[in-house]
Amino acid sequence: LAKTTQPISMDSYEGQEVNITCSHNNIATNDYITWYQQFPSQGPRFIIQGYKTKVTNEVASLFIPADRKSSTLSLPRVSLSDTAVYYCLVADSGNTPLVFGKGTRLSVIA
Amino acid sequence: DSGVTQTPKHLITATGQRVTLRCSPRSGDLSVYWYQQSLDQGLQFLIQYYNGEERAKGNILERFSAQQFPDLHSELNLSSLELGDSALYFCASSVAWVRSTGELFFGEGSRLTVL
Repeated sequence: LAKTTQPISMDSYEGQEVNITCSHNNIATNDYITWYQQFPSQGPRFIIQGYKTKVTNEVASLFIPADRKSSTLSLPRVSLSDTAVYYCLVADSGNTPLVFGKGTRLSVIA
Repeated sequence: DSGVTQTPKHLITATGQRVTLRCSPRSGDLSVYWYQQSLDQGLQFLIQYYNGEERAKGNILERFSAQQFPDLHSELNLSSLELGDSALYFCASSVAWVRSTGELFFGEGSRLTVL
């Protein structure tokens, strides 16, 4: 399984764009990059998934460079309710259980 | 609401005891996953079942066991409980064995406190 490295914590003010970068140097050809969000005392929630280039949905954008050794989750104009832990995961589309690291604790300040 | 239901939401018990946590997956989902989350360990994968059969095993202790029943609900049994077993236990489900989208749907968890 590809190991991921992401910052332990980040702070941001409301209304700013937040970019969380994840390193996954050993990503394999069949691996997808997936991000989850977890609020305190709740289960993680799927945010976005991508394989290469850029993916955008109503919540976030995911940027993946050509070498796929890193990815950046972009949250536009964050609000206080975006305060959560964000996990970057790398896994293939087969039966590989998702392995969560420690994630990035994002604190949004008013 | 993810559609995954876990009971009980909270459970307080003593060391040495045994508890059972229950999970009902989303309608139509055949795979069930169990995760443990404690303060200092993050989310740890325990075990996965697909349509009643064990498919993958993670860092699950021998004191813990799980099963998935014909109606697809799953139970996680924790025995000879120790203080260190205090944690949030999450169940997640996905539609198939092959996760083409990589999306797992998590329940709200069962908080276990061992005194």
